[in-house]
Parts: sequence; structure tokens; C-alpha cells
Amino acid sequence: SQQGEEDPQALSIQEGENATMNCSYKTSINNLQWYRQNSGRGLVHLILIRSNEREKHSGRLRVTLDTSKKSSSLLITASRAADTASYFCATESTSGTYKYIFGTGTRLKVLA
Amino acid sequence: SAVISQKPSRDICQRGTSLTIQCQVDSQVTMMFWYRQQPGQSLTLIATANQGSEATYESGFVIDKFPISRPNLTFSTLTVSNMSPEDSSIYLCSANDRGLNEKLFFGSGTQLSVL
Repeated sequence: SQQGEEDPQALSIQEGENATMNCSYKTSINNLQWYRQNSGRGLVHLILIRSNEREKHSGRLRVTLDTSKKSSSLLITASRAADTASYFCATESTSGTYKYIFGTGTRLKVLA
Repeated sequence: SAVISQKPSRDICQRGTSLTIQCQVDSQVTMMFWYRQQPGQSLTLIATANQGSEATYESGFVIDKFPISRPNLTFSTLTVSNMSPEDSSIYLCSANDRGLNEKLFFGSGTQLSVL
């Protein structure tokens, strides 16, 4: 399967704590993106990191990328109950046709 | 940013019938994609909808089962043909402007149940 792997599959934390989820992928990439999905419907783009970048921040989000290990991590700081959702990474490969392949996802539950 | 309208939002269909899902983008986009998401799972790419030519299908998906149209830069349809209960899933339309904005925009999805 081309799909990337994410871990953990599920994560439950208390409000105010930080949440870290990891994504590993298999091919060389142009960029990697993180998305959030509430209630199994449309996804919302969170952040994009390019292959020549190592770290990026957006509000309470911090993304890192290690192309040598083919892995990325998403850190959500000071989590809120509203952050409860599924989080997916998506990669654009450098080879083949232009498309985005999604990771297996992490289900995050933030307890109030 | 692009806004994507997808319909129907849900449907319950009988085995052996077909359903066409429509995806309308509020601006011209270069790329449109169709994904399937089975309950509790990730998104699996079905195909890339190419404007004016045949769609590019991923391994495991064929045109006879999932015919796709893209007559212009703002509209696409996905048909799920000769449905079986295994086709019960959420189908998601996605789009972006390759080269200008790699961010993917998504429709709200079509939840399909096949009896």
C-alpha cells in the first residue's frame, strides 16, 4: 500500500495538555500536509511543510519534517476540547502522477 | 480558497443500482480528486478527474465501476455502478490549484449506504 502510517492510532488527553502525532511515509516528497476531520466528513487543511523545510509553526500547531527518516510530527499545544477530531497527514510524491496520499490517521480526544 | 459543494450528502441505495455524486467548485481549479473513506478508516484515492480526458485511476479502482466525468474546470461527477454493500462508504471530492496552492479543499462528503 502507498499509504503512510500514523501513530498513535488513537490518543486521549486532558484539556491543556500537548498532543503529538507522528506520520511516516514511503517515497520522496515535495511537501507534506496535515488535515483535520470532524465527524467523518470534509477535511480542513491545517498546515503545509515543504521538503526543504524542517519546522513550521501556525498558532498552536508545530510541524516538523525529517526527510532522511521519511517522517513528520504534528504537535498541538495547550489542547482544547474543540481539538477533538481525526488528524491525517498527506504527502505529494516527487514521482509519478500528481496526487496526495493520506496516512492512516490519529483519532484525538481531548477531555474537558 | 475554493468552496466545494457536493451532493447528495447521503443516500441509501439498493444493491445493483448506480448513484452519481456531483461536485461543484466555486472557482476554476486545475486538479480534482475523488476519495473513498470507509468507516473509521483513512482516505483512499479513487482517481484524478482530468478535464476533457479520461480519469486516472488508482490501483484497485476501474472505470467500469467508478466512471468519472469532468466536463470543465469547476465540475466533476463520480458514479458508483452496480453497487454492493461493500461500496457503503463516504465519498469525498477534493480540488486544488496545482502550482499555485497545493492546499486541498474538500467537499462535505457523500455518505452512501447500500442495502
